[in-house]
Amino acid sequence: DTAVSQTPKYLVTQMGNDKSIKCEQNLGHDTMYWYKQDSKKFLKIMFSYNNKELIINETVPNRFSPKSPDKAHLNLHINSLELGDSAVYFCASSRQTGNQETQYFGPGTRLLVL
Amino acid sequence: AQSVSQHNHHVILSEAASLELGCNYSYGGTVNLFWYVQYPGQHLQLLLKYFSGDPLVKGIKGFEAEFIKSKFSFNLRKPSVQWSDTAEYFCAVNAHYKLSFGAGTTVTVRA
Repeated sequence: DTAVSQTPKYLVTQMGNDKSIKCEQNLGHDTMYWYKQDSKKFLKIMFSYNNKELIINETVPNRFSPKSPDKAHLNLHINSLELGDSAVYFCASSRQTGNQETQYFGPGTRLLVL
Repeated sequence: AQSVSQHNHHVILSEAASLELGCNYSYGGTVNLFWYVQYPGQHLQLLLKYFSGDPLVKGIKGFEAEFIKSKFSFNLRKPSVQWSDTAEYFCAVNAHYKLSFGAGTTVTVRA
């Protein structure tokens, strides 16, 4: 009965490869997010989707492409992986209710690019 | 754009000591305020949140936070910490559907 789940939990890959991270939420939320947490634990939003539409796209390289097949899923595809992409990627979801929303986070995907 | 600053980078204290973590934000409009906790190797969990009403908010695990609008602050407190409170604590501000996090405070509780 996991609320926000991500796969895989760990991902080790070589520079230049293409990889995808998947996120699913079973909370009935309409908005989903991707965050990147760097080695200093700093969290920064990357993307946000509301009802499958992109609403936030922070200055993220276009090697990163989010895809939302439906409201319950938000996947992140990364092309031509670089060393600097190594981080923990967190998915989150929320329900937009006026200007009050609470985001719930997934367990994270630890990406290591060699 | 809003920004969030957390005063302490690393706090070390003994069990039963009191904890207070500072958080200030810069945004003039209506904000939602949060404290999240990240235990070692785990994901972020919501400790407490403030939307409106009573500025003193109680959360899980004995934590509370006070919203002081005039100071743009939302400090987190716990009267008596336990070893299991060792974790990273993040203050966050949500304005215009965008959640901005502070840099985090590492709290180490010594038995």
